[in-house]
Amino acid sequence: DVKVTQSSRYLVKRTGEKVFLECVQDMDHENMFWYRQDPGLGLRLIYFSYDVKMKEKGDIPEGYSVSREKKERFSLILESASTNQTSMYLCASSTFYEQYFGPGTRLTVT
Amino acid sequence: AQSVTQPDIHITVSEGASLELRCNYSYGATPYLFWYVQSPGQGLQLLLKYFSGDTLVQGIKGFEAEFKRSQSSFNLRKPSVHWSDAAEYFCALNSGGSNYKLTFGKGTLLTVNP
Repeated sequence: DVKVTQSSRYLVKRTGEKVFLECVQDMDHENMFWYRQDPGLGLRLIYFSYDVKMKEKGDIPEGYSVSREKKERFSLILESASTNQTSMYLCASSTFYEQYFGPGTRLTVT
Repeated sequence: AQSVTQPDIHITVSEGASLELRCNYSYGATPYLFWYVQSPGQGLQLLLKYFSGDTLVQGIKGFEAEFKRSQSSFNLRKPSVHWSDAAEYFCALNSGGSNYKLTFGKGTLLTVNP
């Protein structure tokens, strides 16, 4: 079974803090993705990576950056957290088209 | 540009009743299509997928979906709903080739009454 894990299920941070969300997959997948999920807006792609050290912007990259130093790990970074980044963050990985999701991190920025 | 529409934001059914969740897509060719389910507070789990071939696909948990090219639809069905099926359901599309991104619909929340 493919397993995608995320470092935290729940996270509370203060405005202006630097926040790291970690995602690890154990299936040697080339592609990894970060989404945010908000009520009524569905899933929106923030960034994705198709190889180590490679990344591409998704639909809503503003305020976020990513890092992929190892194939199995993809990090999402909020350089200076803001209250409008309070959301559910989902990580996914894939080899081709079928994506496998982690359990999500519910981030609250106060 | 491609898009996925799930016309129903919220559906309520009684346990044991049949279910159909609608999904319409916009894309110039035949896409790859997926249905995912998300239980409260959880990530998304793949229910089924359509790449090519038989237009009726079977998935996990007793779900099936039918691809209809003429209607640009990929509706999800289940003959008898269980209380544990209460969740949010997402339809997604991929255009194929070297682009591995998914385009998601906004989801349909399913409530199951006892």
